[in-house]
Amino acid sequence: GQQVMQIPQYQHVQEGEDFTTYCNSSTTLSNIQWYKQRPGGHPVFLIQLVKSGEVKKQKRLTFQFGEAKKNSSLHITATQTTDVGTYFCAGGGNTGKLIFGQGTTLQVKP
Amino acid sequence: DSGVTQTPKHLITATGQRVTLRCSPRSGDLSVYWYQQSLDQGLQFLIQYYNGEERAKGNILERFSAQQFPDLHSELNLSSLELGDSALYFCASSVERGGGLDEQFFGPGTRLTVL
Repeated sequence: GQQVMQIPQYQHVQEGEDFTTYCNSSTTLSNIQWYKQRPGGHPVFLIQLVKSGEVKKQKRLTFQFGEAKKNSSLHITATQTTDVGTYFCAGGGNTGKLIFGQGTTLQVKP
Repeated sequence: DSGVTQTPKHLITATGQRVTLRCSPRSGDLSVYWYQQSLDQGLQFLIQYYNGEERAKGNILERFSAQQFPDLHSELNLSSLELGDSALYFCASSVERGGGLDEQFFGPGTRLTVL
């Protein structure tokens, strides 16, 4: 069945460093969504990408959807302590449901 | 605050027991989704309901069942509980019928501990 893999599982960075998490699907996706879950919190929707090669920015966050619509990435420039949390990608396919990746947990050292 | 409510917040029970988790979606949302999140695990999709009907099924065990009522709230029933069922259970809701294209709004979750 459809699988969405996310790497790395954990990332520790110094405040001010950049951070990237990658998401790969075994099948072509119709769309990809990104969510952030703060420690002790619930996932919160960040963004959705639909088009092949799409790039979207939200302040220091840059989201990309691959040309083949099988991979995606989230890049954070100059991390801050408020960026701490787990970032999930979730791919939509022909199954009609979102498949979540395992998440990347980001720790930021001040 | 996402507008999705879940009760109870915490639940501690024993193996073999049965529990019911409740979710009220955001006002106007017709789709409700249930997810299980265990330690070191991502979000495992369990089941989706749209306007009272089952719409999509994920890795939901036969011991688990769910339903969505006419007022659109949903309940997830977990029976014959095992230690491995201990997890955080999230409910999410969205406006449309799903298909993976809807932004999902997550509730605060119910933490289930099976002893």
